[in-house]
Amino acid sequence: DGGITQSPKYLFRKEGQNVTLSCEQNLNHDAMYWYRQDPGQGLRLIYYSQIVNDFQKGDIAEGYSVSREKKESFPLTVTSAQKNPTAFYLCATNSQFNQPQHFGDGTRLSIL
Amino acid sequence: QKEVEQNSGPLSVPEGAIASLNCTYSDRGSQSFFWYRQYSGKSPELIMFIYSNGDKEDGRFTAQLNKASQYVSLLIRDSQPSDSATYLCAVMNRDDKIIFGKGTRLHILP
Repeated sequence: DGGITQSPKYLFRKEGQNVTLSCEQNLNHDAMYWYRQDPGQGLRLIYYSQIVNDFQKGDIAEGYSVSREKKESFPLTVTSAQKNPTAFYLCATNSQFNQPQHFGDGTRLSIL
Repeated sequence: QKEVEQNSGPLSVPEGAIASLNCTYSDRGSQSFFWYRQYSGKSPELIMFIYSNGDKEDGRFTAQLNKASQYVSLLIRDSQPSDSATYLCAVMNRDDKIIFGKGTRLHILP
């Protein structure tokens, strides 16, 4: 079954802890993106990758890190430097830069 | 700052009527335009995309683009209660970045 899988669905972070959000796709899409959504707000771009072993910062990259070692996978780490991590995190992919993006089901991150 | 503006709503429309959702964008060089539907607590789902001036129809949905006025709209005909959601407008600007609006909440009244 083709698609974008994000895990976990819910995640809790303790003070000073790094947490990693998973995003896996079997659509054979080159480009992958991470967004953050806060209540009543639009989507804000954290990081994106258009090819394996390469990624670029988005508008709000501070406190986050990513890797793109495989085409299928684009994990996002929320580091302890991100002081306000509570949000809904969305992973998206597209086949080419001007094509529509498709989203995974999201991960909801909260602070304990 | 290259922006995408939407009325936050809520927009209340009687069941069976036409819902009209509007979006303006600031970058005149924008190339691609997308509409997403997002139910509460869920991820965005692509509804329509449009690249050229004019109308594009898909079932009950019509996207309208006017690049001269920097305006894109989504019409939903025969509105159903299941259409109640937040609709996000997204625009790819000349830097190949997609900018999302904050969304319009649509409420279909039974």
